Amino acid sequence: AQSVTQPDIHITVSEGASLELRCNYSYGATPYLFWYVQSPGQGLQLLLKYFSGDTLVQGIKGFEAEFKRSQSSFNLRKPSVHWSDAAEYFCAVGAGEYGNKLVFGAGTILRVKS
Amino acid sequence: GAVVSQHPSWVICKSGTSVKIECRSLDFQATTMFWYRQFPKQSLMLMATSNEGSKATYEQGVEKDKFLINHASLTLSTLTVTSAHPEDSSFYICSARVPPRTGSYEQYFGPGTRLTVT
Repeated sequence: AQSVTQPDIHITVSEGASLELRCNYSYGATPYLFWYVQSPGQGLQLLLKYFSGDTLVQGIKGFEAEFKRSQSSFNLRKPSVHWSDAAEYFCAVGAGEYGNKLVFGAGTILRVKS
Repeated sequence: GAVVSQHPSWVICKSGTSVKIECRSLDFQATTMFWYRQFPKQSLMLMATSNEGSKATYEQGVEKDKFLINHASLTLSTLTVTSAHPEDSSFYICSARVPPRTGSYEQYFGPGTRLTVT
């Protein structure tokens, strides 16, 4: 069965510093991979997705993620964090047709200090 | 972008009563919607897939008689928690799938409903 591991429950970075959120997945076939962000009172918002092709994926808000099959990883990165990036981030792997059945990681809470 | 709403945003009910949660796609038609449950400090767990005009498909371990799902129109799916108990207290989130022209299917999430059963 598919699973997703986000090893870091909390991460604190300074505003302007770079960010990397880790995600490891387990899935037997070629995975559909997603990163979502959840802010209080807001629905999950899709940051980026990987289905196939270029393993470096660009998303919204300046985020990018790199799919590494050999490491079963899909880490999220941002070169310079803004205070508004403070939120909870979820990595997900999709199974089934077009990856619709999402399995989420436990989430990483990002705190940004000024 | 596609917007999904949920109503109510929070609800408190007494043990033994039933509560209905609505999920609406506001600016698009959704043939498929999904219901998730999120426990405090935990991740989202898929409960069921709701297909317009047909029965919902439940994930293993989810009681279909307790969590009734109805997807009567292309813009509305409802989740009814029947005979609620305190252990049903949770954050329930829905999402709707929209098939864009490119052929990949994205899910748009509602803001969630906080259910507290006393």
